[in-house]
Amino acid sequence: AQSVSQHNHHVILSEAASLELGCNYSYGGTVNLFWYVQYPGQHLQLLLKYFSGDPLVKGIKGFEAEFIKSKFSFNLRKPSVQWSDTAEYFCAVNGHRTYKYIFGTGTRLKVLA
Amino acid sequence: DAGVTQSPTHLIKTRGQQVTLRCSPKSGHDTVSWYQQALGQGPQFIFQYYEEEERQRGNFPDRFSGHQFPNYSSELNVNALLLGDSALYLCASSLQDRDNEKLFFGSGTQLSVL
Repeated sequence: AQSVSQHNHHVILSEAASLELGCNYSYGGTVNLFWYVQYPGQHLQLLLKYFSGDPLVKGIKGFEAEFIKSKFSFNLRKPSVQWSDTAEYFCAVNGHRTYKYIFGTGTRLKVLA
Repeated sequence: DAGVTQSPTHLIKTRGQQVTLRCSPKSGHDTVSWYQQALGQGPQFIFQYYEEEERQRGNFPDRFSGHQFPNYSSELNVNALLLGDSALYLCASSLQDRDNEKLFFGSGTQLSVL
């Protein structure tokens, strides 16, 4: 079955702490991988994406993610979080031969000032 | 540059009724996808429209139907509403360029079925 698992549903961090959000997927075939973010009161927006090439991808606002094919993982990282990173983060996957995106259930991050 | 706009923002219906949700894609985009996001869940793919045709469909019953107009805007119709249809309905637009595809989402329509 095609699925995306996000291990942490809620994460609370203090400012300047490091962040790593887990994402594992189950999907047959070649995939594209995404992290989307939804800030409070705003719509979902793309944080970063992996299509091919360097498995370490960098996105906006200092976020990065690493694709580890052998582990079917695409974890999101940030060395030092800010209060403004408080948001809900969704991992998503789609296949090269499909237009359907499969999303995880999301991780709510709260950063304490 | 207008982003993806959806209307209405909120809607309350009763079981058995029918509802139509509307979406205008981001300027320059030709593809519209619809997603259902239940409380505490991630968005689930309903279907995608391109060139006024349903190109791919997710695991949703035939009560869910859609349309895309020549100006690329789209409608989502749900017939015979059930309590379980209560959710946030998201529209996402994109440009038909698989090498650089990314979805732009609207703010959604919150549908409550009583």
